[in-house]
Amino acid sequence: NAGVTQTPKFQVLKTGQSMTLQCAQDMNHNSMYWYRQDPGMGLRLIYYSASEGTTDKGEVPNGYNVSRLNKREFSLRLESAAPSQTSVYFCASTLGGGSGETQYFGPGTRLLVL
Amino acid sequence: GQQVMQIPQYQHVQEGEDFTTYCNSSTTLSNIQWYKQRPGGHPVFLIQLVKSGEVKKQKRLTFQFGEAKKNSSLHITATQTTDVGTYFCGRYSSASKIIFGSGTRLSIRP
Repeated sequence: NAGVTQTPKFQVLKTGQSMTLQCAQDMNHNSMYWYRQDPGMGLRLIYYSASEGTTDKGEVPNGYNVSRLNKREFSLRLESAAPSQTSVYFCASTLGGGSGETQYFGPGTRLLVL
Repeated sequence: GQQVMQIPQYQHVQEGEDFTTYCNSSTTLSNIQWYKQRPGGHPVFLIQLVKSGEVKKQKRLTFQFGEAKKNSSLHITATQTTDVGTYFCGRYSSASKIIFGSGTRLSIRP
């Protein structure tokens, strides 16, 4: 099992460009998450999907959209990138989405917006 | 209200010294999780604490959950270079959402 995979690993964008970050998990997990990590800020939740067909906002959703394409895949889209979106993005999944479940993280996407 | 405060933000120790990071909440926690992130890596689950006053050990790591379930600590005895990284605590704010502390970054002088 590959666990949680993310593409791309690195990306450089110009302000105003758009892009989609891809995430997939092969653990048959129901819930999936997108976080961003900035120095000194820890992990902040952008959006999550508790189950296939549902998505909800997290702490910092502005400037992002998500799609839960199927049970395996959860994508994050930046419609018009801004320098403030320079960050490391992590996707994660949990088995059932209940309180206390272990989060399994992907390797991350490092995004630089110029 | 739902945030968890984690201190210190950074800790630089001599190899062999002990290290402790603390996680504090103003509200009672149903559970608390700890994760480790190696430099350049992704967070990896270490442990979950659920019961008041719970203490769990993993080799040189000792995890504690306070009696009032408002705080938790991670203590590493006799640090090694393999312990380098950032340690995060996290609490579930609802059935599906976990809120992480800002992390404590541990660096070690060989």
